[in-house]
Amino acid sequence: DAKTTQPTSMDCAEGRAANLPCNHSTISGNEYVYWYRQIHSQGPQYIIHGLKNNETNEMASLIITEDRKSSTLILPHATLRDTAVYYCIVRVIYGQNFVFGPGTRLSVLP
Amino acid sequence: ETGVTQSPTHLIKTRGQQVTLRCSSQSGHNTVSWYQQALGQGPQFIFQYYREEENGRGNFPPRFSGLQFPNYSSELNVNALELDDSALYLCASSLDFPGTDTQYFGPGTRLTVL
Repeated sequence: DAKTTQPTSMDCAEGRAANLPCNHSTISGNEYVYWYRQIHSQGPQYIIHGLKNNETNEMASLIITEDRKSSTLILPHATLRDTAVYYCIVRVIYGQNFVFGPGTRLSVLP
Repeated sequence: ETGVTQSPTHLIKTRGQQVTLRCSSQSGHNTVSWYQQALGQGPQFIFQYYREEENGRGNFPPRFSGLQFPNYSSELNVNALELDDSALYLCASSLDFPGTDTQYFGPGTRLTVL
């Protein structure tokens, strides 16, 4: 079973920041937080991952709380092409496969 | 850099038949994982191949089998197809090394079993 809980769906206005929350209250010290997204009927796309420090790349920012029990994925300026299902996954960094939950369906509205 | 590719894109089979799906890993990646995604659900791990051997398996019956070739490409074989095998089959490649084994997914093969 997935070790994370996410809202089923969210809406965001185009051009605004999309903030997607994820709870992982049972995360272990050696488990990373990964985010993927899946645009309709395509393969999941890797976005970002982190352990305890906040991370940023060209796609998004990942904010992890100090107790590591929750995190937020931030898309700074959402576009219509960001409409997708977003998956939050916790996993040890090496040697373990990804367990996907149902994810959050983000709809970016014009 | 070439990404993960899968073939065919779509496939229709009838119950009881056998099917082979193919995956070419991303350049430089030596590990391939297969996932099954039923409609409306997240991907479910089937198995992983590393150095041409199965390296972990999810809760799938033995009629799901695979191969990995020396060039790291891979096949997923499913025997005695059932209606519930209708799904999107995803292949993901990664580099088997601590700290760098993020999985990158291909576009998937949509299998329909009638």
